Amino acid sequence: RKEVEQDPGPFNVPEGATVAFNCTYSNSASQSFFWYRQDCRKEPKLLMSVYSSGNEDGRFTAQLNRASQYISLLIRDSKLSDSATYLCVVNGNTNTGFQKLVFGTGTRLLVSP
Amino acid sequence: NAGVTQTPKFRVLKTGQSMTLLCAQDMNHEYMYWYRQDPGMGLRLIHYSVGEGTTAKGEVPDGYNVSRLKKQNFLLGLESAAPSQTSVYFCASSPLRGGTEAFFGQGTRLTVV
Repeated sequence: RKEVEQDPGPFNVPEGATVAFNCTYSNSASQSFFWYRQDCRKEPKLLMSVYSSGNEDGRFTAQLNRASQYISLLIRDSKLSDSATYLCVVNGNTNTGFQKLVFGTGTRLLVSP
Repeated sequence: NAGVTQTPKFRVLKTGQSMTLLCAQDMNHEYMYWYRQDPGMGLRLIHYSVGEGTTAKGEVPDGYNVSRLKKQNFLLGLESAAPSQTSVYFCASSPLRGGTEAFFGQGTRLTVV
């Protein structure tokens, strides 16, 4: 089982739609959770951190469910510029105890006019 | 505001050739990482460093070596390139304490023929 799993999509939605992505993780000891955005042929960039109580940043809402070990990202009023791949990221332990970031393979979103 | 800078951005190698990828960060971050990204595989950690003079193996270290002689630089070496090392390589850095947000370089597209 992969440490972080995401539906690869693509999710095709019209402008103005609401779309949600889920991500599951296997390490119950994980403490840090993030959503990154990656545009085609570009580097990943932090979209938002995910807090236990859930958090919102404009049209974006992230939620964490520790009991079920999943993270969600909700995008409201989708814009053409939201078209990208969204990476779910969770921290995990290495053999040395160092906490590394584990990336999901990403969910591709395509917003059409 | 350079952040994380990778050189080169593109490279084509012949099988068996060697090369070094350079990563430089100006944010005084302790942690630095090298990832590779392949279609359907997500970002996989090659090697990482928790400080100047220290390096450690990630999940896919075979065929690569690294050095962190200066805090701001993290070098990734390929001693004898193989076609399986064709990939996009990303360097990243993060502040002290692993598991926090990582900042990425623009990536290096490497093709081994």
